[in-house]
Amino acid sequence: NAGVMQNPRHLVRRRGQEARLRCSPMKGHSHVYWYRQLPEEGLKFMVYLQKENIIDESGMPKERFSAEFPKEGPSILRIQQVVRGDSAAYFCASSPQENSPLHFGNGTRLTVT
Amino acid sequence: GDSVTQMEGPVTLSEEAFLTINCTYTATGYPSLFWYVQYPGEGLQLLLKATKADDKGSNKGFEATYRKETTSFHLEKGSVQVSDSAVYFCALSGSHGSGNTGKLIFGQGTTLQVKP
Repeated sequence: NAGVMQNPRHLVRRRGQEARLRCSPMKGHSHVYWYRQLPEEGLKFMVYLQKENIIDESGMPKERFSAEFPKEGPSILRIQQVVRGDSAAYFCASSPQENSPLHFGNGTRLTVT
Repeated sequence: GDSVTQMEGPVTLSEEAFLTINCTYTATGYPSLFWYVQYPGEGLQLLLKATKADDKGSNKGFEATYRKETTSFHLEKGSVQVSDSAVYFCALSGSHGSGNTGKLIFGQGTTLQVKP
């Protein structure tokens, strides 16, 4: 049973470009969480999604950031018009139901130049 | 709001030494508490958890006890190995009765380096 798959592992974007980060949850998991880890800091919750629904986006910046988890395919975290401050590691986690432990992917490290 | 504070690292120990990584929390309700470990270049792995006061979580020789009176969840291991070198994160969730343990609040992480 493959774990949580994130791609790409590393992503370099110039300021103003768009970044798309993908996350395929573990088989049978319908709950997806995105976290951001800034350098020298712990992970910060961004958004919680179930299939086709955003449940909690309280940690997501109001502008430029969006997330989706379509009926088919991976969850996508999209950052428009990236700025240097968006450089971070973005982790996806999944679980089979709301109160189950999370399984984390290996993260996507975004560098904005 | 809720928060988690960990001792600053890096913590450098010799193999077979005793490990303690301090973690204290602030929460308005009754959170679940977790320790996660992150090896270089990898995602976080759940190490252990405790869901109520006085519970002791344990795994792979690590243990931590949920202390409500001191709002602490310190991580301990009696004899560390080189392979334990990693970043350790303390986290809490579910303090507002929502029951959702997926929305975690993390401490800043403590790097452990174990030397042979």
